[in-house]
Amino acid sequence: DAGVIQSPRHEVTEMGQEVTLRCKPISGHNSLFWYRQTMMRGLELLIYFNNNVPIDDSGMPEDRFSAKMPNASFSTLKIQPSEPRDSAVYFCASSLIGDGNSPLHFGNGTRLTVT
Amino acid sequence: GESVGLHLPTLSVQEGDNSIINCAYSNSASDYFIWYKQESGKGPQFIIDIRSNMDKRQGQRVTVLLNKTVKHLSLQIAATQPGDSAVYFCAVRGKAGKSTFGDGTTLTVKP
Repeated sequence: DAGVIQSPRHEVTEMGQEVTLRCKPISGHNSLFWYRQTMMRGLELLIYFNNNVPIDDSGMPEDRFSAKMPNASFSTLKIQPSEPRDSAVYFCASSLIGDGNSPLHFGNGTRLTVT
Repeated sequence: GESVGLHLPTLSVQEGDNSIINCAYSNSASDYFIWYKQESGKGPQFIIDIRSNMDKRQGQRVTVLLNKTVKHLSLQIAATQPGDSAVYFCAVRGKAGKSTFGDGTTLTVKP
């Protein structure tokens, strides 16, 4: 089991540029979550999908952020245009939501720095 | 909505001692509780979970206790080792599958 795979591991970009973060969830999982982690705010849920459909995007900061899940094995989080305050570690997690216990399985994150 | 808080942001223990990390939640209807461990440069990793129909669950060296009356959750680590040094998060999952995380407790194990 390869776990949740995120790319890139690190991204440094200039303010105003477009940033795309990628995630491959664990095969067979039906839910995917994007979190952002900062010292000030901790772990914040941005958006989550169930069976590739966005269920709750109330955590997305503003219209500059968008997320897609075109199929069960791939998701992207896009920031356009990026700003320095977007600097954070972005985590993708997947889970099997349904009957029974189902913790989140996290990737190792993308550390984004916007200068 | 749900809010999750921790009692102590940091905890320092001697190697071999037991560690106890506490967490409080707000929604009495919450039914699934999870503890995660996050090491530097990695994502949170599942440690142990418990459902609301239980008050105690044990794993290898770890025990989770749930007190629904006071909405309190704790993680106990027996014989704490240097490899246990990390940030520990409690999380509460709502019925729609959305997890709310606490702020994390940084555990430091002194040799």
